[in-house]
Amino acid sequence: NAGVTQTPKFQVLKTGQSMTLQCAQDMNHEYMSWYRQDPGMGLRLIHYSVGAGITDQGEVPNGYNVSRSTTEDFPLRLLSAAPSQTSVYFCASSRTEHTEAFFGQGTRLTVV
Amino acid sequence: AQTVTQSQPEMSVQEAETVTLSCTYDTSESDYYLFWYKQPPSRQMILVIRQEAYKQQNATENRFSVNFQKAAKSFSLKISDSQLGDAAMYFCAYRSPNSGNTPLVFGKGTRLSVIA
Repeated sequence: NAGVTQTPKFQVLKTGQSMTLQCAQDMNHEYMSWYRQDPGMGLRLIHYSVGAGITDQGEVPNGYNVSRSTTEDFPLRLLSAAPSQTSVYFCASSRTEHTEAFFGQGTRLTVV
Repeated sequence: AQTVTQSQPEMSVQEAETVTLSCTYDTSESDYYLFWYKQPPSRQMILVIRQEAYKQQNATENRFSVNFQKAAKSFSLKISDSQLGDAAMYFCAYRSPNSGNTPLVFGKGTRLSVIA
């Protein structure tokens, strides 16, 4: 069972570069979300989606874009990477708004 | 907006002993869901236990149990017979049933060390 798959696991970017973090789930979950984890800050919501074609901003959306063209995929785009975006990024999905979230293994991103 | 507070940044426990991790939350909703997640050094987020606010009975999963005090807005996690593999970051999380807004709100975490 694949669950939630994130790629890549590690990435180093130069300031100003753009890239896309991939997230795919094979559980037919409607709800997907992106979090970033920084030391001492817990997990903070970047963007989320309640279904294909629907996305919304979370707590820390600036500098990130998302789209949800299919139920399975929810990519996160960094438009112009900044050192402040150095973090660990998690993608999560859940079947409904009442159920627990399943997480990918995370992407450690370093912006130099 | 809901907030989740974990007041213990770090905790330690002797192997085979019991430890309790604290979590409080702030909400005006009467129905909601609470979770504890474990994050070992592998970085994977693993669900430990789940509690629905409308259920008075405290959730239990093997050595893990919660003390849910709805009036006090408290949701502590008790780990019995602690094992070395329990060493991890533990996150408390809140979920509103009326999502279309925030999927999960997390506390800042408690790092648990287990001493052999």
